[in-house]
Amino acid sequence: EPEVTQTPSHQVTQMGQEVILRCVPISNHLYFYWYRQILGQKVEFLVSFYNNEISEKSEIFDDQFSVERPDGSNFTLKIRSTKLEDSAMYFCASSVRAGGFSGNTIYFGEGSWLTVV
Amino acid sequence: GNSVTQMEGPVTLSEEAFLTINCTYTATGYPSLFWYVQYPGEGLQLLLKATKADDKGSNKGFEATYRKETTSFHLEKGSVQVSDSAVYFCALSGRNTGNQFYFGTGTSLTVIP
Repeated sequence: EPEVTQTPSHQVTQMGQEVILRCVPISNHLYFYWYRQILGQKVEFLVSFYNNEISEKSEIFDDQFSVERPDGSNFTLKIRSTKLEDSAMYFCASSVRAGGFSGNTIYFGEGSWLTVV
Repeated sequence: GNSVTQMEGPVTLSEEAFLTINCTYTATGYPSLFWYVQYPGEGLQLLLKATKADDKGSNKGFEATYRKETTSFHLEKGSVQVSDSAVYFCALSGRNTGNQFYFGTGTSLTVIP
């Protein structure tokens, strides 16, 4: 069964460093997402991406975050200058249709656990 | 606004016990409701969903009924197995949520033999 894959599974980084989290969405999907979950809190939406541009972003997704689809298969999340509060599990997801479309399912990867020290 | 509230965990049950994980929601419009499950070391996987009031989603012995009058989507299973140990997430999406899914905090379930 096709799946979303993410790398790395776990990364430890120093505060202020740049981090790139990578994702390979399911190949025929058109919509891509990043979510995150801070330990003990809800899974929160960060950004959605369609047709090579951001289609929606949350207030969490500020100027230190960026996303890119550098080629036909990868989808990346860059955090320019990490803060302690960026420590979280980051989930990549993809879907055939827009995430809010009635009944549409989005498919998640295993997550990348980021620890900022 | 849109939000999901689910039962705090962790939940520990003996094998073959009955499971209920409560989930209630607040939403504008008529959302679709989902349960996702995350097994250890794996990603979030869709367990079941319901797209309109009174629909029942079911999969792998789990069931949940979309109750508009109580704004709830409680997850149930009649007889849990050790292999059901995982974290369960309730979520909603819909035409009024843009591209977003709204998730609860997740409920960790451990089933002991």
